[in-house]
Amino acid sequence: DQQVKQNSPSLSVQEGRISILNCDYTNSMFDYFLWYKKYPAEGPTFLISISSIKDKNEDGRFTVFLNKSAKHLSLHIVPSQPGDSAVYFCAAKSGGSNYKLTFGKGTLLTVNP
Amino acid sequence: DSGVTQTPKHLITATGQRVTLRCSPRSGDLSVYWYQQSLDQGLQFLIQYYNGEERAKGNILERFSAQQFPDLHSELNLSSLELGDSALYFCASSVDSGTSYGYTFGSGTRLTVV
Repeated sequence: DQQVKQNSPSLSVQEGRISILNCDYTNSMFDYFLWYKKYPAEGPTFLISISSIKDKNEDGRFTVFLNKSAKHLSLHIVPSQPGDSAVYFCAAKSGGSNYKLTFGKGTLLTVNP
Repeated sequence: DSGVTQTPKHLITATGQRVTLRCSPRSGDLSVYWYQQSLDQGLQFLIQYYNGEERAKGNILERFSAQQFPDLHSELNLSSLELGDSALYFCASSVDSGTSYGYTFGSGTRLTVV
């Protein structure tokens, strides 16, 4: 049972435009969400996160939006740069003292010059 | 350098063999998580250790086992290897306290079973 779903395996955008990566979840006990970025031959690196009590968090070119009623979150990258080309993983943490993260399958973003 | 060290980076072995993957967590982190990334799959949680004790278990096969030692490094043992065990194995560490929820990942061990 996949509790965190990234339904788009890949996304291609032009440099300078907006990239929108989507993530859906099924477990209403998730209380914290994170996005990780992964380049080839490297481990995932933390990008941005959001608590379930918020609906938006912004960090430079990256903004994460959370719609709890729809159990949906999205990552916006504006403007997109070729260096943003990577696999992006959505992750979620259950509430309480459990710090385990559940990851989606990832979306490969390609930003074309 | 993320601070999480995984060795070896690459491993090629034959079916039926046993291998050990090693992970040294970031300084100060008490938790170690092991994840498997197969082709077209996301990061599948295998197991978590916190300060030497098993804390959570995911879809880890009985042929796989792990432990965390007093110095907090961890080893993932894979035995009776099958072709389908070929994957990237990531170790991550975290503080697991307060509101610090993010992991720091190592660069992974690529296991190829032939």
